[in-house]
Amino acid sequence: SQQGEEDPQALSIQEGENATMNCSYKTSINNLQWYRQNSGRGLVHLILIRSNEREKHSGRLRVTLDTSKKSSSLLITASRAADTASYFCATVRNNNDMRFGAGTRLTVKP
Amino acid sequence: EAGVTQSPTHLIKTRGQQATLRCSPISGHTSVYWYQQALGLGLQFLLWYDEGEERNRGNFPPRFSGRQFPNYSSELNVNALELEDSALYLCASSLQDRGRNGYTFGSGTRLTVV
Repeated sequence: SQQGEEDPQALSIQEGENATMNCSYKTSINNLQWYRQNSGRGLVHLILIRSNEREKHSGRLRVTLDTSKKSSSLLITASRAADTASYFCATVRNNNDMRFGAGTRLTVKP
Repeated sequence: EAGVTQSPTHLIKTRGQQATLRCSPISGHTSVYWYQQALGLGLQFLLWYDEGEERNRGNFPPRFSGRQFPNYSSELNVNALELEDSALYLCASSLQDRGRNGYTFGSGTRLTVV
């Protein structure tokens, strides 16, 4: 069963704009991770945020986590056409159970 | 360092047949995870193996099974294939650190059942 739910399901922006994707989940977690998937390929790990962290940065990526609201957001700044992909959040519980949301399909138009 | 490798990349089977999918984790990774991704959908957790043992199982029927070998590679077997089993099957591996440093995914096996 799914744990996280991303919204929006699809997002279309112009190159240079920022993209924000959200993830909500239902149970307590050890950490939350964001992955990227190019069309029909394997997933690439982007960033991991632990349950005791509130914000994390990696290059043009910024992730926030609000455990009280059971939600996270992924911000991609200054988007590029090459950022076009599906983005998934995954929650990891203390038993190492990792579950994915349905993903957000991001399209960045040149 | 070689990544997670999966074979075959594509597999076509007829309904009722059996499919075997293989996964080799990154060297040093002891945990292997299997996920099913139907077209246009998210990933559904199938199985988790660690140190040769099945640690957890998703909400799939018993005809989905697998094993992990002493070298930590893994097989996923799907018996009595049904049309709705057509999907991308992804394998991931991690250190025995409860996923605290992220998982590494393979490129997947696309299974088509006709």
